[in-house]
Amino acid sequence: NAGVTQTPKFRILKIGQSMTLQCAQDMNHNYMYWYRQDPGMGLKLIYYSVGAGITDKGEVPNGYNVSRSTTEDFPLRLELAAPSQTSVYFCASSTGLNEQYFGPGTRLTVT
Amino acid sequence: AQSVTQLGSHVSVSEGALVLLRCNYSSSVPPYLFWYVQYPNQGLQLLLKYTSAATLVKGINGFEAEFKKSETSFHLTKPSAHMSDAAEYFCAVSNSGGGADGLTFGKGTHLIIQP
Repeated sequence: NAGVTQTPKFRILKIGQSMTLQCAQDMNHNYMYWYRQDPGMGLKLIYYSVGAGITDKGEVPNGYNVSRSTTEDFPLRLELAAPSQTSVYFCASSTGLNEQYFGPGTRLTVT
Repeated sequence: AQSVTQLGSHVSVSEGALVLLRCNYSSSVPPYLFWYVQYPNQGLQLLLKYTSAATLVKGINGFEAEFKKSETSFHLTKPSAHMSDAAEYFCAVSNSGGGADGLTFGKGTHLIIQP
């Protein structure tokens, strides 16, 4: 049972480039989440999904897109990367009741 | 809207001393509250959670927290600090009952353990 996995672990992007952060979970959780963590700040919710085919915006969705075609996967797409998107990105999943399980994170730098 | 305030971005205690990390919340619905711990370059791990059952909640690694509705607080304590407790600690509140639509996190408290 791998839990929540994220790839890549690290990435450097140039301004204006695009990329997809991958997230997968093997716990059969319906609910999945993307957060970003900036230095000295807590995590902020970008997008979440309550099941395959259903997504909704969180607190900071601008500049990102998501899709959820399967229960297991919840990729986060960055279009036209900007320096403000330099952050650590965490994916999480849950049953929808209480605890969220977090992945190890992706550290993204945009220069 | 939900919010969480963690008092003190850094807390330093001696090994063996009491650990007290403060968390106050604001919630428009009955809150579900969580404490997570983050070790360097790792993801978040759940320490404990309050889900409207017992107000004193026990978690892993000897930590516990008490929900006080009148004070809108959920402070984290541990009677005796260990060097391995050095980490970043986050308090979080559910955006709705159960947290199905995500959590709102505080800014975190960095716990330093002095030998």
